[in-house]
Amino acid sequence: QKEVEQDPGPLSVPEGAIVSLNCTYSNSAFQYFMWYRQYSRKGPELLMYTYSSGNKEDGRFTAQVDKSSKYISLFIRDSQPSDSATYLCAMIRGGNTPLVFGKGTRLSVIA
Amino acid sequence: DVKVTQSSRYLVKRTGEKVFLECVQDMDHENMFWYRQDPGLGLRLIYFSYDVKMKEKGDIPEGYSVSREKKERFSLILESASTNQTSMYLCASSRQASRYEQYFGPGTRLTVT
Repeated sequence: QKEVEQDPGPLSVPEGAIVSLNCTYSNSAFQYFMWYRQYSRKGPELLMYTYSSGNKEDGRFTAQVDKSSKYISLFIRDSQPSDSATYLCAMIRGGNTPLVFGKGTRLSVIA
Repeated sequence: DVKVTQSSRYLVKRTGEKVFLECVQDMDHENMFWYRQDPGLGLRLIYFSYDVKMKEKGDIPEGYSVSREKKERFSLILESASTNQTSMYLCASSRQASRYEQYFGPGTRLTVT
């Protein structure tokens, strides 16, 4: 079983829809949970991060972490064509360890 | 504004050639990383470094080596390029205090023929 599982999609939604992106993980030692966004022909950039369990909101984006289920989600409200990108979840343990990335979900928002 | 630059956006090399990919960051970050990204396989960590002259193997180090002689520069070396090393190579850096936030370069698309 891979440490982090993410459905690669692709996911296609109409403009204005609510989008739900998810990852599951197996290592209970993960402490920080991140979502990176990658536009075509660019490097990924950090969208949001959450420490431990709970919700975090930033504009149209909400990140949720459920450590008991080992499940994280990213919700995008009122999706826009400019949200079309690949979204990668990532996690990190304590200590000097590197990030572990999901494979990414490709999202298209159709106008 | 953090900037991570990579020496080339596109590179074409022949099988057996020695290839150098350069990465420079301008924000005095302690940590630097090299990934490759392939369709269906996602981002895979090749090597990383937490300090000058230090290096750690990632998930797929075979066929690669790295060099970090200065804090701002991290080089990836393909000793003898092979066709299965055709890929997008991404460099990233982060501060030790906020390891969750990695800053990525624009990537180098390497084709080995």
